[in-house]
Amino acid sequence: AQKITQTQPGMFVQEKEAVTLDCTYDTSDPSYGLFWYKQPSSGEMIFLIYQGSYDQQNATEGRYSLNFQKARKSANLVISASQLGDSAMYFCAMREVLSGSARQLTFGSGTQLTVLP
Amino acid sequence: DVKVTQSSRYLVKRTGEKVFLECVQDMDHENMFWYRQDPGLGLRLIYFSYDVKMKEKGDIPEGYSVSREKKERFSLILESASTNQTSMYLCASIPGWGQPQHFGDGTRLSIL
Repeated sequence: AQKITQTQPGMFVQEKEAVTLDCTYDTSDPSYGLFWYKQPSSGEMIFLIYQGSYDQQNATEGRYSLNFQKARKSANLVISASQLGDSAMYFCAMREVLSGSARQLTFGSGTQLTVLP
Repeated sequence: DVKVTQSSRYLVKRTGEKVFLECVQDMDHENMFWYRQDPGLGLRLIYFSYDVKMKEKGDIPEGYSVSREKKERFSLILESASTNQTSMYLCASIPGWGQPQHFGDGTRLSIL
């Protein structure tokens, strides 16, 4: 089974509007972390935001926030006030702390976001 | 700021060649990773290393090997390159638990 599922291969949003990128995950590990990365067309991976499984509050980082719904195993990224520079591929990733693969990240297939002027 | 440097942004090699992809980080990180990225598949872990001379297989190690002789350098080796290894390769490092991975700019490798 897929550990990280991103069901939206592509998304479009109008400049200045908010957009939600979906991410669901599958783990039996009680301790895990969820990450979102941005990859512009130039190729570098840029870390955006992190949510720990025991964090009581949803993570926020500037215009980025994470809508963490633990019972539904979802960790959607919300980008407010979209900018043209937000056009990129976005990846959701998970680290399972107690499992044998605790050091590595498992990535979803990504969502290509295009911001329209 | 952490700097993860991959030796080449673009590389073209021929089938059967031995190919070396180099990655260097400047922050004394213990853990380093090699991923390949293919459209629709996201990033898949090839190998990682948690210390000098220590390595572990990731999800897709077949056809690859790695070398970590010094803490700052992690090399990915394609022993005999094949066309199905044409891909984007990304190196990453991490200082410790719970920290985000820092990535290099990637190497777009084409095997002809």
